[in-house]
Amino acid sequence: KQEVTQIPAALSVPEGENLVLNCSFTDSAIYNLQWFRQDPGKGLTSLLLIQSSQREQTSGRLNASLDKSSGRSTLYIAASQPGDSATYLCAVSVNFNKFYFGSGTKLNVKP
Amino acid sequence: NAGVTQTPKFQVLKTGQSMTLQCAQDMNHNSMYWYRQDPGMGLRLIYYSASEGTTDKGEVPNGYNVSRLNKREFSLRLESAAPSQTSVYFCASIPQNTGELFFGEGSRLTVL
Repeated sequence: KQEVTQIPAALSVPEGENLVLNCSFTDSAIYNLQWFRQDPGKGLTSLLLIQSSQREQTSGRLNASLDKSSGRSTLYIAASQPGDSATYLCAVSVNFNKFYFGSGTKLNVKP
Repeated sequence: NAGVTQTPKFQVLKTGQSMTLQCAQDMNHNSMYWYRQDPGMGLRLIYYSASEGTTDKGEVPNGYNVSRLNKREFSLRLESAAPSQTSVYFCASIPQNTGELFFGEGSRLTVL
């Protein structure tokens, strides 16, 4: 069974800092990997989707990388802002229909 | 474009009562999902529907039933609610081409 781990569980940084969130998975046979943001009391918002054939995806200040051979993905956030404070979850999919979620990293960006 | 819409957003039930959570998507997606999210447990799949007319059990199906009414709608029913079903329920859907998950805002259920 695929297991997805996100470390650290919580992270607090000062505004303006560049930071990296980590996601590791145990089985490299994945269909894609997706990063989400979840604000308190809200649903999950898709940030970036990386197909298994891709190495990275970028959107604004966000960059996600994928290394299937080592079972790792990173989400890089440049020049962090207080508005980036949220919980970030990664999910890997196998055979298109099945998804495995990490437990998330709770990010606090201090003004 | 509303995306994935869930109703109700909040509900309080007494043990033994029944209710149905509704989910509708307007993105013409084939596959739809119901998850529950609990502190320390992460997101767990309850049921999913790969296409209209089909449903399959996920990781935690006991105590739930689902109906894929048409391509747009996928409902989750609790026949006899238990306190262990207190949770936040999320509906999600994916398009056939990318496999990107889209979530609703969630339905917060408390069973007393």
